[in-house]
Amino acid sequence: GAGVSQTPSNKVTEKGKYVELRCDPISGHTALYWYRQSLGQGPEFLIYFQGTGAADDSGLPNDRFFAVRPEGSVSTLKIQRTERGDSAVYLCASSLTGGGYEQFFGPGTRLTVL
Amino acid sequence: GENVEQHPSTLSVQEGDSAVIKCTYSDSASNYFPWYKQELGKRPQLIIDIRSNVGEKKDQRIAVTLNKTAKHFSLHITETQPEDSAVYFCAASTHAGGTSYGKLTFGQGTILTVHP
Repeated sequence: GAGVSQTPSNKVTEKGKYVELRCDPISGHTALYWYRQSLGQGPEFLIYFQGTGAADDSGLPNDRFFAVRPEGSVSTLKIQRTERGDSAVYLCASSLTGGGYEQFFGPGTRLTVL
Repeated sequence: GENVEQHPSTLSVQEGDSAVIKCTYSDSASNYFPWYKQELGKRPQLIIDIRSNVGEKKDQRIAVTLNKTAKHFSLHITETQPEDSAVYFCAASTHAGGTSYGKLTFGQGTILTVHP
């Protein structure tokens, strides 16, 4: 079956602009995570959804970052007033609640803020 | 919160040699420890994982060991091949009550290069 998909694969924007990054999890996976990976670093947790609700948003760096998952499937990460420091690869992962612990990652969206 | 340290940051071996990567974690409540392989420009992919009720797990050329008392775990790759070249990340998470939820805290990564 299809894995986790993310769009766009690359996004270049200017400082101060608004961006949306999309994640399509594996069908049936109720748990969804967003991570951010800077060059040469391991992924860092941003937010976790169980179904439609954000169960843990402790990793969001500030209030410019927001994420939604209105129907419990697709999720959108939204970044307002982008800054150059937001440049990174944004990874989405999903897992099957009650079916084990493995998180399946998407290919990521590479965000570049000029 | 959890902190995961990973060493070495780079590792270069000859084909056929063994490679060992080590990680330490800080939160004694952590009970799940996956290892991910990430090739350049690709997504992280799980290669092996271990839960805290097990001390060692093996899958063909790959093995992971866990020492809960010392709070460290290691990845062992035997008979390395050039296609093993990639960045390897360890991670730790806490699963309370057997739930599947657990945000992963990753190490900094190890760049493994296997020379033919």
